Order: sequence, then C-alpha cells, then structure tokens
Amino acid sequence: RKEVEQDPGPFNVPEGATVAFNCTYSNSASQSFFWYRQDCRKEPKLLMSVYSSGNEDGRFTAQLNRASQYISLLIRDSKLSDSATYLCVVNAGGGNKLTFGTGTQLKVEL
Amino acid sequence: EPEVTQTPSHQVTQMGQEVILRCVPISNHLYFYWYRQILGQKVEFLVSFYNNEISEKSEIFDDQFSVERPDGSNFTLKIRSTKLEDSAMYFCASSGDRAGQETQYFGPGTRLLVL
Repeated sequence: RKEVEQDPGPFNVPEGATVAFNCTYSNSASQSFFWYRQDCRKEPKLLMSVYSSGNEDGRFTAQLNRASQYISLLIRDSKLSDSATYLCVVNAGGGNKLTFGTGTQLKVEL
Repeated sequence: EPEVTQTPSHQVTQMGQEVILRCVPISNHLYFYWYRQILGQKVEFLVSFYNNEISEKSEIFDDQFSVERPDGSNFTLKIRSTKLEDSAMYFCASSGDRAGQETQYFGPGTRLLVL
C-alpha cells in the first residue's frame, strides 16, 4: 500500500462548482497533515494544515479521520485560479520528513 | 514575506560531473531539507538537517549526496558524480520547529538536467 494515496484526476469542473479531494495514508503513527498546492513546474505551497477537528479557510475546508486514516479537501465556488495539483502531505512523526501523495490535478473551466 | 531562495534555477551538467545546488533558508528557521521531484512523479524526501548535522535521510540520499551549511545563511546539496537518473527538480525547504508541527516552506527549486 502506498504511504499516501490520492486519485490523480484530472478533475475538470466548471467555475463555481464544489469539488472534493480525498487522500488515504498508511502510517497510523502519522501526526501532522497538510494540503499543499503545486502549480505546473513550481514549488509546493502550503494551502492549509489539517486538524483533527476539521478546519476551514475561506472557500477551503479540510477534514481528518484518524480512524479511517483519511483526509479530505473541499473547495467551494471554484475559481479559474484554483487550477493546480493538490498534494496530500503527511508527517509520520518522529522527525520532520514529509511524505507526499502523487497529487490530484484540478482544472477549473469557464 | 520571508521566503526560501535557491540558485541556480536551472543547471545542465554532464554525467559524472559534480554539482552544487544552493539554498538560502528563511533566516530564523532552524531545520532545513532537500526534496526532489522527478518529472511527472511525486515529491520525495532526501534529507533533513539540524544543528549542523543530518537528522534524517532517505534511501535516495546515498554516498553521492552530501549537504552542508557553510555559513550562517547558505545550505547546499552536493551531488558528487551525477547520473542520468539524478535529473529532477530539487527543492530546498526550511521550518522553524522540530516537533513536526511547523510548516515547511519550499524554495522555487533548481531544475537539474544530467546529459
């Protein structure tokens, strides 16, 4: 089983749509969880950390289910500028090594 | 806003040559990292560095790789004898806290092409 698994997509959605991405991780000792965004040929940029209670930042909502080892990201009212690859990232704890999923590609269209 | 910087942005080298990739982490950060991303693949951890020593490294980080903090601001990755499969984007990152809770901020990357 992959350490961090994501559906690669692409997800093609119209502007204004709501889209959800899912991610599963294999290491139950994982302690920190993040969603990063990566534009084509650019560096990963932190979108948001994911907390056990769930958290929201504007149009973005992240959820964590430790029992199922599952993380989600919901994007409401999609904008053209949201087009990117969304990376599910996990810190398995005991150190600072980040483990990345392969990413889910989002394309928001007019 | 403080940011991680990397030089060069692109590097082309011949197989077997040594390359040094340079990074300037965010100034008050204490933890430094190198990751790489082969074209079309996921970002992979190479090494973490704290208090002038390697704190963790991956299987990829073999004897051909080394890291150094030669002064108070730079953090370098050296590949001693490059191979074709070393062609990738190399990202430097830094963070301020060892607990794993602190965010890692990534530099813009160096695109390395080994011919």
